Amino acid sequence: EDQVTQSPEALRLQEGESSSLNCSYTVSGLRGLFWYRQDPGKGPEFLFTLYSAGEEKEKERLKATLTKKESFLHITAPKPEDSATYLCAVQVAQAGTALIFGKGTTLSVSS
Amino acid sequence: GAGVSQSPSNKVTEKGKDVELRCDPISGHTALYWYRQSLGQGLEFLIYFQGNSAPDKSGLPSDRFSAERTGGSVSTLTIQRTQQEDSAVYLCASSLRGLAQLSSTDTQYFGPGTRLTVL
Repeated sequence: EDQVTQSPEALRLQEGESSSLNCSYTVSGLRGLFWYRQDPGKGPEFLFTLYSAGEEKEKERLKATLTKKESFLHITAPKPEDSATYLCAVQVAQAGTALIFGKGTTLSVSS
Repeated sequence: GAGVSQSPSNKVTEKGKDVELRCDPISGHTALYWYRQSLGQGLEFLIYFQGNSAPDKSGLPSDRFSAERTGGSVSTLTIQRTQQEDSAVYLCASSLRGLAQLSSTDTQYFGPGTRLTVL
């Protein structure tokens, strides 16, 4: 069964304290892996798409990496405005299959 | 440009009543998706529309749930005889090409959601 697991469920950081969020996946074939950010009361906001192992993408303080079994979202020197829930989703290779989401990691950054 | 919009933003209803949730996708997007997000759970896929093709209804939890997409644009998700377990945030997303092409992925853009509370 295709599955996506995110860890930790919650993460508290001090401003400037870098860390990583993990997304591990077990799928029959990966077409793409997506990272979204979700603020309370809002819909998920697209951040990155990764397609193949070894790929990396960056946006401001965020960097996403991908291996054959997992993806990491690295947050460098976070700020309070980075506080949100980060969602990982995979699209499997079978045509017509919708995204499979993890349950998310809720990040809190305090000043 | 304008993103995905959903209405209402909040809906409170009584058990047993029917509700309709609306989604306006990004102009030009051929694919439209409905998801449900319950407290502490990940997004759960409900239904997917691709152009004029028959929708993929494989995620609908019961026959009380239905959806339609008129003119390849606006979509309405209908829940009949609502139950308390239907309480959740219902999210709509749209994408440019959809899921049919194996050779590429297709980013889904989400609306703000409708929070449904069934009393």
